Amino acid sequence: QSALTQPASVSGSPGQSVTISCTGTTSDVGGYNYVSWYQQHPGEAPKLMIYEVTDRPSGVPDRFSGSRSGNTASLTISGLQAEDEADYYCSSYTISSNVLFGGGTKLTVL
Amino acid sequence: EVQLVESGGGLVQPGRSLRLSCTASRFISGFTFDDYTLSWVRQAPGKGLEWVGFLRYEAYSETAGYAASVKGRFTISRDDSKSIVYLQMNSLKTEDTGVYYCTRGLTALDPWGQGTLVTVSS
Repeated sequence: QSALTQPASVSGSPGQSVTISCTGTTSDVGGYNYVSWYQQHPGEAPKLMIYEVTDRPSGVPDRFSGSRSGNTASLTISGLQAEDEADYYCSSYTISSNVLFGGGTKLTVL
Repeated sequence: EVQLVESGGGLVQPGRSLRLSCTASRFISGFTFDDYTLSWVRQAPGKGLEWVGFLRYEAYSETAGYAASVKGRFTISRDDSKSIVYLQMNSLKTEDTGVYYCTRGLTALDPWGQGTLVTVSS
Protein backbone atom coordinates (compact mmCIF):
# COMPACT_ATOMS: atom_id res chain seq x y z
CA GLN A 1 0.00 0.00 0.00
CA SER A 2 1.26 3.49 -0.83
CA ALA A 3 1.40 6.26 1.72
CA LEU A 4 -1.46 8.73 1.84
CA THR A 5 -0.79 11.84 -0.26
CA GLN A 6 -0.08 15.14 1.47
CA PRO A 7 1.45 18.35 0.10
CA ALA A 8 5.11 18.62 0.99
CA SER A 9 4.73 22.11 2.40
CA VAL A 10 2.23 24.85 3.18
CA SER A 11 2.69 28.28 4.65
CA GLY A 12 0.70 31.11 6.13
CA SER A 13 1.06 34.32 8.08
CA PRO A 14 0.12 34.68 11.75
CA GLY A 15 -3.62 34.98 12.16
CA GLN A 16 -4.38 33.39 8.80
CA SER A 17 -5.87 29.96 8.13
CA VAL A 18 -4.20 27.08 6.34
CA THR A 19 -5.56 23.74 5.19
CA ILE A 20 -3.54 20.55 4.73
CA SER A 21 -5.03 17.82 2.56
CA CYS A 22 -4.62 14.07 2.84
CA THR A 23 -5.75 11.96 -0.10
CA GLY A 24 -6.30 8.23 -0.01
CA THR A 25 -8.78 5.76 -1.44
CA THR A 26 -12.05 4.09 -0.58
CA SER A 27 -9.96 1.40 1.15
CA ASP A 28 -8.68 3.81 3.75
CA VAL A 29 -9.55 7.53 4.10
CA GLY A 30 -12.86 7.26 2.27
CA GLY A 31 -13.92 3.98 3.82
CA TYR A 32 -13.40 4.42 7.54
CA ASN A 33 -14.05 7.13 10.11
CA TYR A 34 -10.54 6.56 11.47
CA VAL A 35 -8.53 9.44 10.09
CA SER A 36 -6.13 11.09 12.54
CA TRP A 37 -3.73 14.02 12.37
CA TYR A 38 -0.44 14.42 14.23
CA GLN A 39 1.81 17.39 14.88
CA GLN A 40 5.55 16.90 15.23
CA HIS A 41 8.03 19.58 16.22
CA PRO A 42 11.72 18.98 15.41
CA GLY A 43 13.32 16.51 17.77
CA GLU A 44 10.05 15.67 19.48
CA ALA A 45 7.58 12.80 19.38
CA PRO A 46 4.37 13.26 17.40
CA LYS A 47 1.26 14.56 19.15
CA LEU A 48 -2.32 13.58 18.34
CA MET A 49 -4.30 16.63 17.18
CA ILE A 50 -7.42 15.16 15.51
CA TYR A 51 -8.94 11.67 15.62
CA GLU A 52 -11.93 10.00 13.97
CA VAL A 53 -11.87 12.64 11.22
CA THR A 54 -13.19 15.56 13.26
CA ASP A 55 -12.66 15.00 16.99
CA ARG A 56 -10.13 16.90 19.09
CA PRO A 57 -8.42 15.37 22.14
CA SER A 58 -8.66 17.30 25.35
CA GLY A 59 -6.13 20.13 25.43
CA VAL A 60 -5.89 20.68 21.67
CA PRO A 61 -6.96 24.23 20.77
CA ASP A 62 -10.18 24.58 18.81
CA ARG A 63 -8.17 26.42 16.14
CA PHE A 64 -7.46 22.91 14.83
CA SER A 65 -10.28 21.21 12.96
CA GLY A 66 -10.66 18.18 10.74
CA SER A 67 -12.99 17.32 7.89
CA ARG A 68 -13.37 14.90 5.01
CA SER A 69 -14.86 14.90 1.54
CA GLY A 70 -14.81 11.60 -0.29
CA ASN A 71 -11.30 10.14 -0.19
CA THR A 72 -9.65 13.37 0.96
CA ALA A 73 -9.36 14.44 4.57
CA SER A 74 -8.28 17.91 5.61
CA LEU A 75 -6.75 19.61 8.63
CA THR A 76 -7.50 23.30 8.98
CA ILE A 77 -5.59 25.53 11.36
CA SER A 78 -7.17 28.91 11.90
CA GLY A 79 -5.63 31.92 13.62
CA LEU A 80 -2.11 30.66 12.86
CA GLN A 81 0.43 31.10 15.61
CA ALA A 82 4.20 30.81 15.53
CA GLU A 83 4.13 27.65 17.63
CA ASP A 84 2.02 25.91 14.97
CA GLU A 85 5.11 25.69 12.76
CA ALA A 86 5.78 21.94 12.61
CA ASP A 87 5.39 18.83 10.49
CA TYR A 88 1.88 17.42 10.21
CA TYR A 89 0.98 13.85 9.37
CA CYS A 90 -2.36 12.26 8.58
CA SER A 91 -3.09 8.60 9.14
CA SER A 92 -5.93 6.24 8.34
CA TYR A 93 -7.03 2.76 9.24
CA THR A 94 -7.22 0.57 6.15
CA ILE A 95 -9.16 -2.32 4.71
CA SER A 96 -6.09 -4.50 5.40
CA SER A 97 -6.50 -3.90 9.16
CA ASN A 98 -3.36 -1.80 9.32
CA VAL A 99 -2.53 1.89 9.44
CA LEU A 100 -1.18 4.15 6.70
CA PHE A 101 0.50 7.50 7.27
CA GLY A 102 0.76 10.37 4.87
CA GLY A 103 4.18 11.56 3.76
CA GLY A 104 3.97 14.62 6.00
CA THR A 105 3.51 18.35 5.42
CA LYS A 106 5.87 21.03 6.67
CA LEU A 107 3.95 24.06 7.88
CA THR A 108 5.86 27.33 7.83
CA VAL A 109 4.48 30.35 9.67
CA LEU A 110 5.78 33.38 7.77
CA GLU B 1 -0.76 11.39 32.78
CA VAL B 2 0.22 8.21 30.99
CA GLN B 3 3.86 7.94 30.05
CA LEU B 4 5.57 5.51 27.71
CA VAL B 5 9.33 5.01 27.78
CA GLU B 6 11.18 3.09 25.08
CA SER B 7 14.57 1.46 25.52
CA GLY B 8 16.86 -1.04 23.83
CA GLY B 9 17.93 0.89 20.75
CA GLY B 10 21.49 0.98 19.50
CA LEU B 11 23.85 0.04 16.70
CA VAL B 12 23.40 -3.41 15.19
CA GLN B 13 24.80 -5.13 12.13
CA PRO B 14 22.62 -6.14 9.20
CA GLY B 15 21.11 -9.59 9.66
CA ARG B 16 21.29 -9.44 13.46
CA SER B 17 18.47 -9.07 16.00
CA LEU B 18 17.44 -6.46 18.53
CA ARG B 19 14.63 -6.25 21.08
CA LEU B 20 13.06 -2.95 22.03
CA SER B 21 11.04 -2.44 25.19
CA CYS B 22 8.33 0.04 26.04
CA THR B 23 7.38 0.53 29.66
CA ALA B 24 4.10 2.20 30.54
CA SER B 25 3.14 3.93 33.71
CA ARG B 26 0.09 2.19 35.06
CA PHE B 27 -2.97 2.97 37.10
CA ILE B 28 -2.63 6.67 36.46
CA SER B 29 -5.68 8.66 35.47
CA GLY B 30 -7.64 5.46 35.01
CA PHE B 31 -5.24 3.94 32.52
CA THR B 32 -4.85 0.19 32.89
CA PHE B 33 -2.10 -1.14 30.67
CA ASP B 34 -3.73 -4.39 29.72
CA ASP B 35 -6.93 -2.72 28.48
CA TYR B 36 -5.31 -1.11 25.47
CA THR B 37 -3.97 -1.88 22.05
CA LEU B 38 -0.33 -0.82 21.69
CA SER B 39 1.49 0.09 18.49
CA TRP B 40 4.99 0.75 17.23
CA VAL B 41 5.75 3.48 14.70
CA ARG B 42 9.16 4.29 13.24
CA GLN B 43 10.76 7.26 11.54
CA ALA B 44 13.85 7.00 9.35
CA PRO B 45 16.28 9.93 9.65
CA GLY B 46 14.77 12.99 7.96
CA LYS B 47 11.76 11.00 6.77
CA GLY B 48 8.10 10.60 7.65
CA LEU B 49 6.28 8.30 10.02
CA GLU B 50 5.82 4.61 9.18
CA TRP B 51 3.46 2.36 11.10
CA VAL B 52 5.21 -0.88 12.13
CA GLY B 53 2.59 -2.95 13.91
CA PHE B 54 0.11 -3.34 16.75
CA LEU B 55 -0.92 -5.79 19.44
CA ARG B 56 -4.48 -5.86 20.78
CA TYR B 57 -5.23 -6.43 24.41
CA GLU B 58 -5.94 -9.84 25.80
CA ALA B 59 -9.73 -9.83 25.29
CA TYR B 60 -8.97 -10.18 21.58
CA SER B 61 -6.63 -13.08 22.20
CA GLU B 62 -3.48 -11.15 21.49
CA THR B 63 -4.28 -10.25 17.88
CA ALA B 64 -1.32 -8.64 16.12
CA GLY B 65 -0.85 -6.92 12.80
CA TYR B 66 2.28 -5.80 10.96
CA ALA B 67 3.30 -3.62 8.07
CA ALA B 68 4.30 -5.54 4.96
CA SER B 69 7.86 -4.21 5.26
CA VAL B 70 8.43 -5.98 8.59
CA LYS B 71 6.00 -8.92 8.51
CA GLY B 72 7.79 -12.18 9.23
CA ARG B 73 10.80 -10.39 10.74
CA PHE B 74 9.30 -8.33 13.59
CA THR B 75 7.15 -9.59 16.47
CA ILE B 76 5.29 -7.58 19.09
CA SER B 77 4.57 -9.10 22.48
CA ARG B 78 3.59 -7.83 25.92
CA ASP B 79 3.97 -8.61 29.58
CA ASP B 80 0.93 -7.09 31.27
CA SER B 81 2.22 -7.96 34.74
CA LYS B 82 5.16 -5.60 34.12
CA SER B 83 3.32 -3.10 31.85
CA ILE B 84 5.89 -3.71 29.10
CA VAL B 85 5.45 -4.19 25.36
CA TYR B 86 8.29 -5.57 23.27
CA LEU B 87 9.31 -5.27 19.64
CA GLN B 88 11.52 -8.19 18.61
CA MET B 89 13.34 -7.33 15.41
CA ASN B 90 15.08 -10.10 13.49
CA SER B 91 17.00 -10.17 10.20
CA LEU B 92 17.52 -6.43 10.43
CA LYS B 93 18.18 -4.44 7.28
CA THR B 94 19.83 -1.06 6.79
CA GLU B 95 16.43 0.35 5.87
CA ASP B 96 15.16 -0.48 9.37
CA THR B 97 17.30 2.36 10.71
CA GLY B 98 15.30 5.02 12.51
CA VAL B 99 13.67 6.19 15.69
CA TYR B 100 11.14 3.70 17.01
CA TYR B 101 8.17 5.02 18.96
CA CYS B 102 5.82 3.12 21.21
CA THR B 103 2.29 4.49 21.38
CA ARG B 104 -1.11 3.57 22.75
CA GLY B 105 -3.95 2.74 20.41
CA LEU B 106 -4.28 1.89 16.73
CA THR B 107 -6.55 4.36 14.96
CA ALA B 108 -5.78 7.27 17.31
CA LEU B 109 -2.25 7.07 18.67
CA ASP B 110 -1.85 8.79 22.02
CA PRO B 111 0.35 9.22 23.94
CA TRP B 112 3.76 8.54 22.37
CA GLY B 113 7.04 7.69 23.99
CA GLN B 114 10.14 9.75 23.32
CA GLY B 115 11.50 7.13 20.92
CA THR B 116 14.63 5.01 20.78
CA LEU B 117 17.15 5.13 17.92
CA VAL B 118 18.02 1.95 16.05
CA THR B 119 20.94 2.08 13.63
CA VAL B 120 21.51 -0.89 11.35
CA SER B 121 24.96 -0.66 9.82
CA SER B 122 28.04 -2.74 9.30
